Amino acid sequence: NAGVTQTPKFQVLKTGQSMTLQCAQDMNHEYMSWYRQDPGMGLRLIHYSVGAGITDQGEVPNGYNVSRSTTEDFPLRLLSAAPSQTSVYFCASSYSRSGANTEAFFGQGTRLTVV
Amino acid sequence: GDSVTQMEGPVTLSEEAFLTINCTYTATGYPSLFWYVQYPGEGLQLLLKATKADDKGSNKGFEATYRKETTSFHLEKGSVQVSDSAVYFCALSPYSSASKIIFGSGTRLSIRP
Repeated sequence: NAGVTQTPKFQVLKTGQSMTLQCAQDMNHEYMSWYRQDPGMGLRLIHYSVGAGITDQGEVPNGYNVSRSTTEDFPLRLLSAAPSQTSVYFCASSYSRSGANTEAFFGQGTRLTVV
Repeated sequence: GDSVTQMEGPVTLSEEAFLTINCTYTATGYPSLFWYVQYPGEGLQLLLKATKADDKGSNKGFEATYRKETTSFHLEKGSVQVSDSAVYFCALSPYSSASKIIFGSGTRLSIRP
């Protein structure tokens, strides 16, 4: 009964380094998303996916890449880390039946610091 | 575009006080509305939801009613506890795109014993 699992929980990067934040869900959800949480700004959508092989940009996609090769996994890649990417990152998944909305399930978050 | 506006925090109350956190939204059509709660060091979890006008969501003593006429979804609790201290997010999901959840900026709630 794992739900949404994110790794790592904490990470410190130097400016210019790259890394991948992992996200996996075991609920067979179609939809997966990545958000970043910054003080006073709520959660902002980075990228999302409506199914394996399909991804799209959210509100703040610059500097991030995603792929969705399987239903379960949705990794987020930082191509060249910048201090402005210091944030808490959340992965979420949801299952949508046609004509109705369902809630999102969130991972525990990854706290990323770029120095 | 779609958006959510909620009252700014922090909000500090004494135990057993009445709580209201205001939330209004802008959206086309009939979105679903949610309140999420984030306890310290944790991810967000759903507190309650409503999917159509006049629906009332409730959970753990919290309530919110979907008001189409005022485009509001205010969160209320009659008697708060110290354990309710957390950050509360109002959110909406457009009917046409369940994958997109739009969040308010969050309201930090602190309850004094």
